[in-house]
Amino acid sequence: AQKITQTQPGMFVQEKEAVTLDCTYDTSDPSYGLFWYKQPSSGEMIFLIYQGSYDQQNATEGRYSLNFQKARKSANLVISASQLGDSAMYFCAMREVNTGFQKLVFGTGTRLLVSP
Amino acid sequence: NAGVTQTPKFQVLKTGQSMTLQCAQDMNHEYMSWYRQDPGMGLRLIHYSVGAGITDQGEVPNGYNVSRSTTEDFPLRLLSAAPSQTSVYFCASSYMDRAQTWGGYTFGSGTRLTVV
Repeated sequence: AQKITQTQPGMFVQEKEAVTLDCTYDTSDPSYGLFWYKQPSSGEMIFLIYQGSYDQQNATEGRYSLNFQKARKSANLVISASQLGDSAMYFCAMREVNTGFQKLVFGTGTRLLVSP
Repeated sequence: NAGVTQTPKFQVLKTGQSMTLQCAQDMNHEYMSWYRQDPGMGLRLIHYSVGAGITDQGEVPNGYNVSRSTTEDFPLRLLSAAPSQTSVYFCASSYMDRAQTWGGYTFGSGTRLTVV
């Protein structure tokens, strides 16, 4: 069964510093996709970044980058130049590809607090 | 605005009552799904649908029913509410393009349900 592990329940960072949120995954499928979502206190799920298992380069979206290490089965999110608005829960998720339905498997999340 | 619309946003039920959480999308997405989010856990899949008339169970289906009579709507029914169903519920839609490439997930804003 596929599994996502986020070992950091909470992280603290000062404004303008970079922060790395850890995510490891376990799957036997050769084809999969990895996501990061942000959930602010308002509750909605905001898509941040996606990495496909066959992508050769690490994904980047503005201040977000995904440090994809396939051999280690890790997909860490790096936020550069943190902002106060980055304070939120962050979820790593994996998409099952080789099934009739592409469901998402989520980790337990990391709460990030950005201080001035 | 195009997207996934969930209603209601908040609901309080008494144990044993039944209700339907509504989900509608206007993007003509073929795949729709329901997740629940509990404290300290990531989102878990309840039920999903790969098209009108086709539904299947996810990870935690007990106590819930779904149907998909149209592409747009995917309601989630609680048959006899229990305190264990107190949670935040998210509906999501997704699609595959003609090249059978995943086209992305769109989440609704969530329904916060309390069963007393």
